[in-house]
Amino acid sequence: QQQVKQSPQSLIVQKGGISIINCAYENTAFDYFPWYQQFPGKGPALLIAIRPDVSEKKEGRFTISFNKSAKQFSLHIMDSQPGDSATYFCAASSGISNFGNEKLTFGTGTRLTIIP
Amino acid sequence: DTAVSQTPKYLVTQMGNDKSIKCEQNLGHDTMYWYKQDSKKFLKIMFSYNNKELIINETVPNRFSPKSPDKAHLNLHINSLELGDSAVYFCASSLGTGGRFTLHFGNGTRLTVT
Repeated sequence: QQQVKQSPQSLIVQKGGISIINCAYENTAFDYFPWYQQFPGKGPALLIAIRPDVSEKKEGRFTISFNKSAKQFSLHIMDSQPGDSATYFCAASSGISNFGNEKLTFGTGTRLTIIP
Repeated sequence: DTAVSQTPKYLVTQMGNDKSIKCEQNLGHDTMYWYKQDSKKFLKIMFSYNNKELIINETVPNRFSPKSPDKAHLNLHINSLELGDSAVYFCASSLGTGGRFTLHFGNGTRLTVT
């Protein structure tokens, strides 16, 4: 069962355009939503993250929009650059328990290509 | 000054062989993980260890055996390799256990089983 659904699978955007990647989740216990960025030959790295007490978080050209009622969140990359070409993963987790065994559930990834 | 380093970067081997992947982190983190990334880029957790204690074991075949000699090291040994084991294996670490801690990934080990 895929608890975090991510779309699209691949995305091509022209330089300077806006890239939008969407994720939807089912588990209402999720309360932490990070995005990871992975370049070819490298491991994923945290890009930006949001908690459900806010509807938007912005860091530079990257913005997460969060819709709690719809159980959806999205990554927007403004003024997309060729250097943004990478695979992006949304993820979700339900916080910390006494056992520490919550894990981050990843989406299926979106391969983003920015063309000049 | 690599934070999470894993060796080897590439591993090509035949079915039925046994192989190991090593991982070390110099971030002072308490928790380490093994993730598997398949050909479709899907990331799936395999194991997590906190201070050398197994925390998460995600229904991985028992041919896979992690070993954590200390909290800075987490190795993965795979017995009787199968074609389906071909994937990129990532080691990661975090400051604590639980899903809210940032994962710091190594650059992966590409395992090819022929």
